[in-house]
Amino acid sequence: ETGVTQSPTHLIKTRGQQVTLRCSSQSGHNTVSWYQQALGQGPQFIFQYYREEENGRGNFPPRFSGLQFPNYSSELNVNALELDDSALYLCASSKDRTYEQYFGPGTRLTVT
Amino acid sequence: EDQVTQSPEALRLQEGESSSLNCSYTVSGLRGLFWYRQDPGKGPEFLFTLYSAGEEKEKERLKATLTKKESFLHITAPKPEDSATYLCAVQPLNSGYALNFGKGTSLLVTP
Repeated sequence: ETGVTQSPTHLIKTRGQQVTLRCSSQSGHNTVSWYQQALGQGPQFIFQYYREEENGRGNFPPRFSGLQFPNYSSELNVNALELDDSALYLCASSKDRTYEQYFGPGTRLTVT
Repeated sequence: EDQVTQSPEALRLQEGESSSLNCSYTVSGLRGLFWYRQDPGKGPEFLFTLYSAGEEKEKERLKATLTKKESFLHITAPKPEDSATYLCAVQPLNSGYALNFGKGTSLLVTP
């Protein structure tokens, strides 16, 4: 059984640019959640997708947006990148909304 | 406002020296409390889910317990490979299905 995968592993962008991060959920999982983890902090919830619909959003501005596809994979898009967006971006999938979330390895984004 | 506080921030143990990590939480209603292990530069690895006060779960040298206000992760006779950051997260009843994480406890086990 394949776990949660994310791409790319690392990314360097310039302030003001746009970025798309990708996540493939674990087989049999229909829910994907995205988190941002700054150095030395716990993950912060960005949003969750359940059966292709946004199912909750954390305290992040609208320039953070996402999609979930029919195969339950997902994308996180960030527009107008700021230096503070530099972080580890984590995707987690779960069998349903209430079940435990399994995390991928993350994408390390650096904004210069 | 929902809050999760983990203590201590960092803990150094000698191999075989048992200890406990604490996770205190404030939520209006708890759907579940989750423990994860995170190695540097990697995604969190799921360990346990606890749903109600009095519940306990065990896995190898780890045992998690839950009360109405806090959870403990007990580590018995730790080994160097147990070194990692341990994260606690709550899933409140009234705020969707997001996980609200603490900052974690960084554990170092020396030989």
